[in-house]
Amino acid sequence: GIQVEQSPPDLILQEGANSTLRCNFSDSVNNLQWFHQNPWGQLINLFYIPSGTKQNGRLSATTVATERYSLLYISSSQTTDSGVYFCGSRDDKIIFGKGTRLHILP
Amino acid sequence: GAGVSQTPSNKVTEKGKYVELRCDPISGHTALYWYRQSLGQGPEFLIYFQGTGAADDSGLPNDRFFAVRPEGSVSTLKIQRTERGDSAVYLCASAGTGNTGELFFGEGSRLTVL
Repeated sequence: GIQVEQSPPDLILQEGANSTLRCNFSDSVNNLQWFHQNPWGQLINLFYIPSGTKQNGRLSATTVATERYSLLYISSSQTTDSGVYFCGSRDDKIIFGKGTRLHILP
Repeated sequence: GAGVSQTPSNKVTEKGKYVELRCDPISGHTALYWYRQSLGQGPEFLIYFQGTGAADDSGLPNDRFFAVRPEGSVSTLKIQRTERGDSAVYLCASAGTGNTGELFFGEGSRLTVL
C-alpha cells in the first residue's frame, strides 16, 4: 500500500517563526488532508487539498500531486500551534504519516 | 449532529473483559472509519464502512475485534477478551461520500486495559 513520509519528525521554534512541513507519498495522491492533533488528542481538519494551494489565515498548503508531495506552511507561529501535524492520502481508507511534532516556545 | 460523536470518552477495563465503543457520525455521512492510535504513533486504520456494509476490514488486528453499523449511521466497535496491548485511543471519522471528500474525526475513546 501507499507509504507516507513526513518531515521533519520534530521541530522546535520560537514564537513568531515560520515553518514548512512536508509529506511525501510513494504512490498517487488522492483526497489529501492535513490535520493538527491538539494536546487533548483531537484531530482538527486544516486543509482538504487534493491539488493546488489553499490559504487559511497564517496557514497555507500546497499539493503537487504529479510529484507526490504536499507542503504545509505556518507563518508567525504561536504557542497554540504546538502539537502534532499529520497528513494523509485517501482512496478508500486514509493512510497517515507518523506526523511532525511541533513545539512553539514562548 | 454537528460533529462526529464518540462515547465513552474514557474507558478503563480489566484484561479479559468485553468492551463496546460507539461512534455517531455526522448526519448524512455514508462513509465511516475506525482508527486506533497508540502513544507517539499516527492513527492506524482498522475498518471502513460504506453504508451498512464493511467495505474494508483489513486493519482489524484479530478476530477479537468486530464492528457493526446496522442502520448505516451509528457504529459500534466491539472488542472481546481485551488485552493490555489493546490500550489506545480509538478514533472514528466520517465522510460524506465514498472515497472522495473531506474526512472529519471525533474526539476519540481512550481505552485502558489493566
